[in-house]
Amino acid sequence: GAVVSQHPSRVICKSGTSVKIECRSLDFQATTMFWYRQFPKQSLMLMATSNEGSKATYEQGVEKDKFLINHASLTLSTLTVTSAHPEDSSFYICSARGAGGAPGETQYFGPGTRLLVL
Amino acid sequence: RKEVEQDPGPFNVPEGATVAFNCTYSNSASQSFFWYRQDCRKEPKLLMSVYSSGNEDGRFTAQLNRASQYISLLIRDSKLSDSATYLCVVNVSPTDSWGKLQFGAGTQVVVTP
Repeated sequence: GAVVSQHPSRVICKSGTSVKIECRSLDFQATTMFWYRQFPKQSLMLMATSNEGSKATYEQGVEKDKFLINHASLTLSTLTVTSAHPEDSSFYICSARGAGGAPGETQYFGPGTRLLVL
Repeated sequence: RKEVEQDPGPFNVPEGATVAFNCTYSNSASQSFFWYRQDCRKEPKLLMSVYSSGNEDGRFTAQLNRASQYISLLIRDSKLSDSATYLCVVNVSPTDSWGKLQFGAGTQVVVTP
């Protein structure tokens, strides 16, 4: 199956710093990538959807200036958490869907990034 | 009201037994339905899609009831390795060309020896 990687797998940072998380599709071209966040014992919450070469679309309540998303190529999307605070500590997961994928087509998930902000 | 609701469990199941649980969704226009499995501190992995006529994949059987807006998952002959959280996932909008998925919070299954 398709492989999606994320880097780093976990990160600990000080409050006020910025953290960049990379999401890569390793063996397919991902025209659409999704960024999710999951707090303990809660469901995955979609933060934003990004299409290669265009601006990301953010879900209601997600600050676009705080969570910067760049999808510069068909195999890479990045999420930057700017001025991170302890409440941003969470499990961040990306997923990717291949070119030509129809709505509802399988999304391939990365292994996730655990962010802990001290 | 949540878009996708699940009984959080846990469902404690003896090895070899059968367990079944449901998930309800609120948007009647939802088109695609899936069951994902998520192990502790890992990413979700697709278990199976759910088709209108119901479908089976080995020991796993999924059913869709559009009239009552729920889907179900049944696991037969439970294995210890089936212990996980099972996520109900719905594509909430047929007009959404990006195929956004809505996740339930998951049902925890614990299979005991």
